[in-house]
Amino acid sequence: GAGVSQSPRYKVAKRGQDVALRCDPISGHVSLFWYQQALGQGPEFLTYFQNEAQLDKSGLPSDRFFAERPEGSVSTLKIQRTQQEDSAVYLCASSLGQGAKQPQHFGDGTRLSIL
Amino acid sequence: GNSVTQMEGPVTLSEEAFLTINCTYTATGYPSLFWYVQYPGEGLQLLLKATKADDKGSNKGFEATYRKETTSFHLEKGSVQVSDSAVYFCALMDTGRRALTFGSGTRLQVQP
Repeated sequence: GAGVSQSPRYKVAKRGQDVALRCDPISGHVSLFWYQQALGQGPEFLTYFQNEAQLDKSGLPSDRFFAERPEGSVSTLKIQRTQQEDSAVYLCASSLGQGAKQPQHFGDGTRLSIL
Repeated sequence: GNSVTQMEGPVTLSEEAFLTINCTYTATGYPSLFWYVQYPGEGLQLLLKATKADDKGSNKGFEATYRKETTSFHLEKGSVQVSDSAVYFCALMDTGRRALTFGSGTRLQVQP
């Protein structure tokens, strides 16, 4: 496809379960980002990859959150032992290269609800 | 740390009215500034950007000027349309980082 694709669009899990969220970036995009957006708030940065290297994970809220991009394309965000405060929309973005002149293109997000 | 403050919404305007959405920022370096828009049921889209002081970003009739002296990047449009109804996010990217820092968003509702 032409844009960033995320799956699933919606995920409901019980507290304590593990979840995995997938992001397919735009083909050829080197950089990939994950953001968390709580209801009524702006997105907050979680982590950033350049190819397969995770260069910035300063936004991950706890060690229950883990992201990977093993082949430098598709990325997975995993949340272990989910808690209610993890309920949010998780956004993935990709950009062609580096620097602020390369815009970040966002997917439609995965809405995660923890019961 | 970095932060972005936007005027709270919702902002309700009649069609063809003038729009201003205020945005101010705090950053440790020399950030690039952005406006993103989220239309109902769609993902975030880049609306415009400015990468240095006094730059003006523009797109689809929207404009914003990077004002370093007032640390502001206010979004303006001379004549809004119903199709402009959306949530608008101001954001910055600080020097040496790739992460975007977003404001909390401002919902715009344009009535016919």
